[in-house]
Amino acid sequence: DIQLTQSPSSLPASVGDRVTITCRASQSIYNYLNWYQQRPGKAPKLLLYAASRLQSGVPSRFSGSGSGTDFTLTISGLQPEDFATYYCQQSFNNPWTFGRGTKVEIK
Amino acid sequence: QVQLQESGPGLVKPSETLSLTCTVSGGSISNYYWSWIRQSANKQLEWIGRIFSSGNTNYNPSLKSRVTMSVDTSKNQFSLKMNSVTAADTAVYYCARDGDFGDYDPFDSWGQGTLVTVSS
Repeated sequence: DIQLTQSPSSLPASVGDRVTITCRASQSIYNYLNWYQQRPGKAPKLLLYAASRLQSGVPSRFSGSGSGTDFTLTISGLQPEDFATYYCQQSFNNPWTFGRGTKVEIK
Repeated sequence: QVQLQESGPGLVKPSETLSLTCTVSGGSISNYYWSWIRQSANKQLEWIGRIFSSGNTNYNPSLKSRVTMSVDTSKNQFSLKMNSVTAADTAVYYCARDGDFGDYDPFDSWGQGTLVTVSS
């Protein structure tokens, strides 16, 4: 299985901050990397796919980059509704796998 | 906007079979892959497998021996059966659609999730 390692696991931040979350794959997954946001008690929500493509309706303050094994999710100008947990997920190889999540919390 | 809704027992006894159904509304089940994903108490997400509207399946190898998925296009539903459950199968179970973005198929629509507890 392809392992996805997210860092940090917890990220204290303030409204307006620029935050970056990293996801590293155990082998090359080209750009088959997706990012999700999960708020407490809710299902995950797709933010970006193919490493950098913004899902329809997602604010442009979310951006993604990377290819191969190293990927980043950046939130430029953190908003109150962005305090949540973020997961990366690879869709290159069966079984599809997820990172363990990064919780963006209020500093 | 497609919507998904999971249904099924919230409590299953050890060694028995977990059965869940996902009903799709606001769109057709045809020509998409549909997945089951679970989230354990430690928040780790695990992909269980997926089924195409034609019935073709892909399963997570770690669960393949215990999992069966099926689809009923006339009802716009797909289902999950997992046998020989243990406490380790206790989780929130989500159904989701594998979006069609050319070469890419992220999970673009999700059900609200249903908690299944395995306990006697």
